[in-house]
Amino acid sequence: KAGVTQTPRYLIKTRGQQVTLSCSPISGHRSVSWYQQTPGQGLQFLFEYFSETQRNKGNFPGRFSGRQFSNSRSEMNVSTLELGDSALYLCASSAGTGGRNSPLHFGNGTRLTVT
Amino acid sequence: EDQVTQSPEALRLQEGESSSLNCSYTVSGLRGLFWYRQDPGKGPEFLFTLYSAGEEKEKERLKATLTKKESFLHITAPKPEDSATYLCAVWDNFNKFYFGSGTKLNVKP
Repeated sequence: KAGVTQTPRYLIKTRGQQVTLSCSPISGHRSVSWYQQTPGQGLQFLFEYFSETQRNKGNFPGRFSGRQFSNSRSEMNVSTLELGDSALYLCASSAGTGGRNSPLHFGNGTRLTVT
Repeated sequence: EDQVTQSPEALRLQEGESSSLNCSYTVSGLRGLFWYRQDPGKGPEFLFTLYSAGEEKEKERLKATLTKKESFLHITAPKPEDSATYLCAVWDNFNKFYFGSGTKLNVKP
């Protein structure tokens, strides 16, 4: 079974630009969530989508947005990039039904560098 | 808000030297506690899920245990390939996951 796939693996952007990251979940998984990982803050929750609807949202500014498509693939967008947005962005999928066997399975992330 | 604290931040062991990592948590309602392993440049890899106090799970040299306030990840006779950052996460009644900052384990041959 293929794992969670994130593209691209690396991105370099300039302050003020916007960026779109993509995530393909494990086949059959309907929940996709996004996390930002930095050395200082660790893993911080951005948002979660289930069946194309945002189900949970973390404490990030409105510049961070996402969506999920009918095939469960998800995209995350960051507008007006700031230097502090440099981080590893991780996508995770799960069965997401709320049942007991719903651990998160992560992709290898997109490393975003803002200059 | 739910909180997860891991200790120690970093741990250096000699090959074969057993030890334990700690994850303490405060949560409004625990649905599950997860352990992950993360290697540099990669996403976290799922290890275990624990659901209730007293539960234990084992995998090779790793054993995870859960009490009402904390979880331990015991590493028995570690090898250099066990070197990684180990993350703990709690899953609460609002279907949210909260991660600890991790323990960076370095096992020397």
